[in-house]
Amino acid sequence: KAGVTQTPRYLIKTRGQQVTLSCSPISGHRSVSWYQQTPGQGLQFLFEYFSETQRNKGNFPGRFSGRQFSNSRSEMNVSTLELGDSALYLCASSPGGTGSGGYTFGSGTRLTVV
Amino acid sequence: GQQLNQSPQSMFIQEGEDVSMNCTSSSIFNTWLWYKQEPGEGPVLLIALYKAGELTSNGRLTAQFGITRKDSFLNISASIPSDVGIYFCAGRSGGGSNYKLTFGKGTLLTVNP
Repeated sequence: KAGVTQTPRYLIKTRGQQVTLSCSPISGHRSVSWYQQTPGQGLQFLFEYFSETQRNKGNFPGRFSGRQFSNSRSEMNVSTLELGDSALYLCASSPGGTGSGGYTFGSGTRLTVV
Repeated sequence: GQQLNQSPQSMFIQEGEDVSMNCTSSSIFNTWLWYKQEPGEGPVLLIALYKAGELTSNGRLTAQFGITRKDSFLNISASIPSDVGIYFCAGRSGGGSNYKLTFGKGTLLTVNP
């Protein structure tokens, strides 16, 4: 069974630009969550999608958005990039439903904003 | 918001030693998860705990869900060099479709051969 696939692995963007990251969950998993990981703040929850609907949202500004497609693949978008957005962005998939079970993480996308 | 206090922040041990790390929270969680992250990779689930008081093992790893539901610990016995990495605890709150994971800041483990 293929794991969680995130693309691209590395990205360098300029302040003010926007970026779109992609996540393909494990086949059959319907829930995709996104996290931002930085040395100072650790892993911070961004949002979770289930069956193409945002089910939960963390405390991030509106510049951070996401969506989920009918095949459960998910994208997150960050607009008007700031230097502080430099981080490892991780997505995690789970079967969904009541949210039982663990979450399987992808290897992440390392975003650097210059 | 909810916060998890994970300790210690880092550990430097000799191969063969046992390791213990823990997480505490001011809030109740209904699930505790322990993950390990290696450089350049995402966190990998080690152990999941679903009931207060539950003690679960996975090879040399043992974790417990605290009775108060506000804490959890992870023990690693007879450490080996490949145990090196960052270990995270995570608590899941809420229920039904309204839940999220809160992560600790991690424990960096270094094992000296």
